[in-house]
Amino acid sequence: DAGVIQSPRHEVTEMGQEVTLRCKPISGHNSLFWYRQTMMRGLELLIYFNNNVPIDDSGMPEDRFSAKMPNASFSTLKIQPSEPRDSAVYFCAVPKHGDGNTIYFGEGSWLTVV
Amino acid sequence: RKEVEQDPGPFNVPEGATVAFNCTYSNSASQSFFWYRQDCRKEPKLLMSVYSSGNEDGRFTAQLNRASQYISLLIRDSKLSDSATYLCVVNIGRSGNTPLVFGKGTRLSVIA
Repeated sequence: DAGVIQSPRHEVTEMGQEVTLRCKPISGHNSLFWYRQTMMRGLELLIYFNNNVPIDDSGMPEDRFSAKMPNASFSTLKIQPSEPRDSAVYFCAVPKHGDGNTIYFGEGSWLTVV
Repeated sequence: RKEVEQDPGPFNVPEGATVAFNCTYSNSASQSFFWYRQDCRKEPKLLMSVYSSGNEDGRFTAQLNRASQYISLLIRDSKLSDSATYLCVVNIGRSGNTPLVFGKGTRLSVIA
């Protein structure tokens, strides 16, 4: 178990506010994925990092979304300004050491924008 | 067309029943295949990998047909605890560090 810690677990915010979601894999990983899950669209990849560098951010909805991975043990996903359609569960995931085809998800950040 | 397609269900089956889920994927270059399980309000977790020769893990059997780009999961003697959403997953890349592509999931409810 990679022990991926996400925070906040739940957040309710008003439209227009900035939201910052955090991810801390307990064991440092050079690869990290951010997914978003909604009932309508399922699990969608937003962005992923290899060696702390963003490789593919084509899934990021628009310029309001940004992500960073300054080191192997920390990543952030920021939404500014937030909109109601951003309401979703945001998962951070990392590959299993030695088996990159298995990924471990954090428990998710449940975001509601009102 | 979505890259990974599944019947959303729900499948409502009695305990002890056998239930099968199907999945198709669009990218013929897909390299690796999996089933993940997601309980209500929880994160997805790996259930099993899917190999070309087919593989079994207890009551669960997974099959892959590369020619038809089709993946299946069979659950025998279903238990109440099998109630969850089952996600069909593919990896397009050769490297383990390429992202997984998820289907929207098939919801299973096992009823007493």
